[in-house]
Amino acid sequence: NAGVTQTPKFRVLKTGQSMTLLCAQDMNHEYMYWYRQDPGMGLRLIHYSVGEGTTAKGEVPDGYNVSRLKKQNFLLGLESAAPSQTSVYFCASSYLEGTNQPQHFGDGTRLSIL
Amino acid sequence: AQSVTQLDSHVSVSEGTPVLLRCNYSSSYSPSLFWYVQHPNKGLQLLLKYTSAATLVKGINGFEAEFKKSETSFHLTKPSAHMSDAAEYFCVVMDSSASKIIFGSGTRLSIRP
Repeated sequence: NAGVTQTPKFRVLKTGQSMTLLCAQDMNHEYMYWYRQDPGMGLRLIHYSVGEGTTAKGEVPDGYNVSRLKKQNFLLGLESAAPSQTSVYFCASSYLEGTNQPQHFGDGTRLSIL
Repeated sequence: AQSVTQLDSHVSVSEGTPVLLRCNYSSSYSPSLFWYVQHPNKGLQLLLKYTSAATLVKGINGFEAEFKKSETSFHLTKPSAHMSDAAEYFCVVMDSSASKIIFGSGTRLSIRP
Protein backbone atom coordinates (compact mmCIF):
# COMPACT_ATOMS: atom_id res chain seq x y z
CA ASN A 1 0.00 0.00 0.00
CA ALA A 2 1.80 3.12 -1.27
CA GLY A 3 -0.36 5.72 0.54
CA VAL A 4 0.39 9.21 -0.80
CA THR A 5 3.02 9.48 -3.53
CA GLN A 6 4.50 12.75 -4.74
CA THR A 7 6.31 13.22 -8.04
CA PRO A 8 9.00 14.51 -8.50
CA LYS A 9 10.98 14.45 -5.23
CA PHE A 10 13.36 17.24 -6.26
CA ARG A 11 13.32 19.90 -8.94
CA VAL A 12 15.27 23.02 -9.82
CA LEU A 13 13.60 25.63 -12.00
CA LYS A 14 14.56 28.97 -13.47
CA THR A 15 12.43 32.02 -12.77
CA GLY A 16 9.51 32.14 -15.18
CA GLN A 17 9.45 28.44 -15.96
CA SER A 18 6.34 26.38 -15.36
CA MET A 19 5.89 22.95 -13.87
CA THR A 20 3.34 20.59 -12.37
CA LEU A 21 3.66 18.59 -9.18
CA LEU A 22 1.72 15.35 -9.04
CA CYS A 23 0.14 13.81 -5.98
CA ALA A 24 -1.43 10.36 -6.11
CA GLN A 25 -3.21 8.48 -3.32
CA ASP A 26 -4.46 4.91 -3.33
CA MET A 27 -6.64 5.05 -0.21
CA ASN A 28 -9.84 6.21 -1.94
CA HIS A 29 -9.74 9.44 0.07
CA GLU A 30 -12.16 12.23 -0.78
CA TYR A 31 -10.08 15.12 0.52
CA MET A 32 -6.72 16.16 -0.80
CA TYR A 33 -4.47 19.09 0.14
CA TRP A 34 -1.36 20.90 -1.01
CA TYR A 35 0.89 22.59 1.56
CA ARG A 36 4.17 24.41 1.47
CA GLN A 37 6.67 24.20 4.29
CA ASP A 38 9.11 27.00 4.92
CA PRO A 39 11.64 27.26 7.78
CA GLY A 40 10.09 28.45 11.02
CA MET A 41 6.61 28.70 9.55
CA GLY A 42 5.14 25.23 9.80
CA LEU A 43 2.91 24.14 6.94
CA ARG A 44 0.61 26.50 5.11
CA LEU A 45 -2.34 25.36 3.04
CA ILE A 46 -2.17 26.36 -0.63
CA HIS A 47 -5.23 24.69 -2.14
CA TYR A 48 -7.42 21.78 -1.27
CA SER A 49 -10.08 19.59 -2.83
CA VAL A 50 -13.16 18.05 -1.26
CA GLY A 51 -13.78 15.63 -4.11
CA GLU A 52 -13.21 14.85 -7.76
CA GLY A 53 -13.73 17.91 -9.92
CA THR A 54 -13.65 20.39 -7.03
CA THR A 55 -10.92 22.69 -5.74
CA ALA A 56 -10.74 25.54 -3.23
CA LYS A 57 -8.24 28.12 -2.08
CA GLY A 58 -6.34 27.80 1.14
CA GLU A 59 -4.23 30.29 3.05
CA VAL A 60 -1.58 31.04 0.37
CA PRO A 61 -3.06 30.30 -3.08
CA ASP A 62 -1.47 33.10 -5.15
CA GLY A 63 0.81 31.91 -7.94
CA TYR A 64 -0.52 28.35 -7.89
CA ASN A 65 -3.29 26.46 -9.65
CA VAL A 66 -4.65 22.99 -8.99
CA SER A 67 -6.78 20.37 -10.66
CA ARG A 68 -8.56 17.22 -9.46
CA LEU A 69 -9.72 15.49 -12.61
CA LYS A 70 -9.47 12.05 -11.01
CA LYS A 71 -10.26 11.20 -7.43
CA GLN A 72 -6.85 9.69 -6.80
CA ASN A 73 -4.80 12.55 -8.26
CA PHE A 74 -4.29 16.17 -7.23
CA LEU A 75 -2.04 18.34 -9.37
CA LEU A 76 -0.33 21.55 -8.30
CA GLY A 77 0.82 23.90 -11.05
CA LEU A 78 3.20 26.82 -11.08
CA GLU A 79 2.58 28.83 -14.26
CA SER A 80 5.50 31.23 -13.86
CA ALA A 81 7.85 30.20 -11.07
CA ALA A 82 9.28 32.86 -8.75
CA PRO A 83 12.14 32.58 -6.22
CA SER A 84 9.59 33.11 -3.41
CA GLN A 85 8.10 29.75 -4.35
CA THR A 86 11.26 27.92 -3.33
CA SER A 87 9.96 25.58 -0.68
CA VAL A 88 9.14 22.01 0.24
CA TYR A 89 5.70 21.03 -0.98
CA PHE A 90 3.61 18.39 0.75
CA CYS A 91 0.50 16.70 -0.43
CA ALA A 92 -1.94 15.13 2.01
CA SER A 93 -5.23 13.28 1.86
CA SER A 94 -7.98 12.37 4.28
CA TYR A 95 -10.97 10.09 4.09
CA LEU A 96 -13.66 12.58 4.96
CA GLU A 97 -13.97 16.09 6.17
CA GLY A 98 -14.48 16.26 9.84
CA THR A 99 -12.63 17.30 12.87
CA ASN A 100 -11.45 13.81 13.72
CA GLN A 101 -9.96 12.88 10.39
CA PRO A 102 -6.17 12.85 10.34
CA GLN A 103 -4.29 13.56 7.17
CA HIS A 104 -1.89 11.21 5.43
CA PHE A 105 1.16 12.92 3.97
CA GLY A 106 3.51 12.26 1.11
CA ASP A 107 7.28 12.58 1.53
CA GLY A 108 7.43 16.00 -0.10
CA THR A 109 8.80 17.70 -3.21
CA ARG A 110 11.79 19.96 -2.75
CA LEU A 111 11.55 22.80 -5.26
CA SER A 112 14.22 25.43 -5.86
CA ILE A 113 13.62 28.44 -8.08
CA LEU A 114 16.75 30.19 -9.30
CA ALA B 1 -9.84 33.03 14.69
CA GLN B 2 -7.75 29.97 15.17
CA SER B 3 -4.10 29.93 16.08
CA VAL B 4 -1.51 27.52 17.35
CA THR B 5 1.63 28.43 19.28
CA GLN B 6 4.41 25.99 19.90
CA LEU B 7 6.27 27.57 22.74
CA ASP B 8 9.71 26.11 22.01
CA SER B 9 11.40 26.01 18.64
CA HIS B 10 14.02 23.56 19.93
CA VAL B 11 14.06 21.14 22.86
CA SER B 12 17.07 19.04 23.82
CA VAL B 13 16.88 16.20 26.35
CA SER B 14 19.08 13.30 27.36
CA GLU B 15 18.17 9.78 26.33
CA GLY B 16 16.00 8.17 29.00
CA THR B 17 14.70 11.45 30.43
CA PRO B 18 11.16 12.83 30.02
CA VAL B 19 10.07 14.86 27.01
CA LEU B 20 7.72 17.84 27.14
CA LEU B 21 6.75 19.72 23.97
CA ARG B 22 4.37 22.59 24.60
CA CYS B 23 1.44 23.71 22.47
CA ASN B 24 -1.17 26.40 23.13
CA TYR B 25 -4.11 27.02 20.87
CA SER B 26 -6.99 29.36 20.37
CA SER B 27 -10.22 28.51 18.62
CA SER B 28 -13.73 29.87 18.47
CA TYR B 29 -15.18 26.38 18.44
CA SER B 30 -14.44 23.05 20.03
CA PRO B 31 -11.42 22.12 17.98
CA SER B 32 -9.76 18.90 17.14
CA LEU B 33 -6.08 18.83 17.99
CA PHE B 34 -3.32 16.70 16.56
CA TRP B 35 0.37 16.09 17.00
CA TYR B 36 2.41 15.05 13.99
CA VAL B 37 6.06 14.02 13.77
CA GLN B 38 8.35 14.66 10.83
CA HIS B 39 11.62 12.82 10.42
CA PRO B 40 14.26 14.30 8.09
CA ASN B 41 13.29 14.29 4.42
CA LYS B 42 9.98 12.65 5.22
CA GLY B 43 6.34 13.65 5.34
CA LEU B 44 4.37 14.14 8.52
CA GLN B 45 3.12 11.15 10.47
CA LEU B 46 0.23 11.27 12.91
CA LEU B 47 1.23 10.72 16.54
CA LEU B 48 -2.12 11.25 18.23
CA LYS B 49 -5.37 13.19 18.05
CA TYR B 50 -7.89 14.75 20.41
CA THR B 51 -11.50 14.93 19.28
CA SER B 52 -13.54 15.80 22.42
CA ALA B 53 -13.46 12.35 23.95
CA ALA B 54 -10.95 11.56 26.72
CA THR B 55 -8.76 14.51 27.62
CA LEU B 56 -5.67 12.32 28.00
CA VAL B 57 -4.79 10.94 24.61
CA LYS B 58 -2.32 8.13 24.02
CA GLY B 59 -0.47 7.93 20.75
CA ILE B 60 2.17 5.85 19.06
CA ASN B 61 5.74 5.31 20.28
CA GLY B 62 4.85 6.01 23.93
CA PHE B 63 3.74 9.61 23.41
CA GLU B 64 0.68 11.10 25.04
CA ALA B 65 -0.95 14.50 25.28
CA GLU B 66 -3.42 16.09 27.66
CA PHE B 67 -6.10 18.50 26.50
CA LYS B 68 -6.61 21.26 29.09
CA LYS B 69 -9.42 23.56 28.05
CA SER B 70 -8.92 25.98 30.94
CA GLU B 71 -5.31 26.50 29.89
CA THR B 72 -5.97 26.14 26.13
CA SER B 73 -3.05 23.75 26.00
CA PHE B 74 -2.29 20.41 24.38
CA HIS B 75 1.23 19.52 25.51
CA LEU B 76 2.97 16.40 24.23
CA THR B 77 4.87 14.21 26.67
CA LYS B 78 6.85 10.99 26.80
CA PRO B 79 8.24 9.46 29.99
CA SER B 80 11.57 8.34 28.55
CA ALA B 81 13.19 9.70 25.40
CA HIS B 82 14.76 7.43 22.82
CA MET B 83 17.33 8.39 20.22
CA SER B 84 14.81 7.58 17.49
CA ASP B 85 12.51 10.33 18.82
CA ALA B 86 14.78 13.01 17.37
CA ALA B 87 12.59 14.78 14.81
CA GLU B 88 10.41 17.84 14.21
CA TYR B 89 7.02 17.86 15.96
CA PHE B 90 3.99 19.84 14.85
CA CYS B 91 0.89 20.73 16.82
CA VAL B 92 -2.18 21.17 14.60
CA VAL B 93 -5.63 22.58 15.27
CA MET B 94 -8.49 21.72 12.98
CA ASP B 95 -11.79 23.51 12.96
CA SER B 96 -15.03 22.47 11.34
CA SER B 97 -13.94 22.61 7.71
CA ALA B 98 -11.05 21.49 5.58
CA SER B 99 -9.78 25.03 5.13
CA LYS B 100 -9.49 25.64 8.85
CA ILE B 101 -6.36 23.64 9.50
CA ILE B 102 -3.59 25.50 11.26
CA PHE B 103 -0.11 24.11 11.84
CA GLY B 104 2.20 25.31 14.56
CA SER B 105 5.68 26.40 13.56
CA GLY B 106 7.21 23.18 14.85
CA THR B 107 9.51 22.08 17.67
CA ARG B 108 12.76 20.34 16.87
CA LEU B 109 13.52 17.63 19.42
CA SER B 110 17.15 16.63 19.90
CA ILE B 111 18.20 13.66 22.03
CA ARG B 112 21.60 13.63 23.73
CA PRO B 113 23.26 10.22 24.28
